Amino acid sequence: DGGITQSPKYLFRKEGQNVTLSCEQNLNHDAMYWYRQDPGQGLRLIYYSQIVNDFQKGDIAEGYSVSREKKESFPLTVTSAQKNPTAFYLCASSTGDRGTQYFGPGTRLLVL
Amino acid sequence: QKEVEQDPGPLSVPEGAIVSLNCTYSNSAFQYFMWYRQYSRKGPELLMYTYSSGNKEDGRFTAQVDKSSKYISLFIRDSQPSDSATYLCAMSGLTGGGNKLTFGTGTQLKVEL
Repeated sequence: DGGITQSPKYLFRKEGQNVTLSCEQNLNHDAMYWYRQDPGQGLRLIYYSQIVNDFQKGDIAEGYSVSREKKESFPLTVTSAQKNPTAFYLCASSTGDRGTQYFGPGTRLLVL
Repeated sequence: QKEVEQDPGPLSVPEGAIVSLNCTYSNSAFQYFMWYRQYSRKGPELLMYTYSSGNKEDGRFTAQVDKSSKYISLFIRDSQPSDSATYLCAMSGLTGGGNKLTFGTGTQLKVEL
């Protein structure tokens, strides 16, 4: 089955800890995205990548980092600099032709 | 002012009703318009995709785009309890690189028996 997988489903972060969220796609899409979703605020773009080994900051990149070493994978690290990390994180991919984005199931990050 | 405005609801309707969900936007460069359905604690699922103005129908769902008024709508006919979800509008155009989408905040819909 083609699609986007995210892991883990739930993640707990301790104070001062960096955590990494996984996103994998087998749709052969060039572009991948990370969003953060908070209640009442819709989806906000954290980082996006149009091609391997290249990525750009979105609207709320502070406290986050990404890498794009493989076409299929776009992991997101939530660093200790992100002071309010509790949210639902969504990964998406697209063919990059100004068309649609397809989303993974999401990871819920909670702070202990 | 946000680029995309969407009434957050919640909107509650009886089963079988026609539902109208709407978004307005301010950026005239938007040309691609989408509707996503998101069930609680799940990722958004693409429902409808429209390019430029006009109507598009898929089963019980109809998407309308009026670029002159900067207004898009999603109609759901014969609504079912399984349609209870949050509906997000999204759009993109020539305003930025990387095929970035601008989302509305979502409308929460509840279809009651």
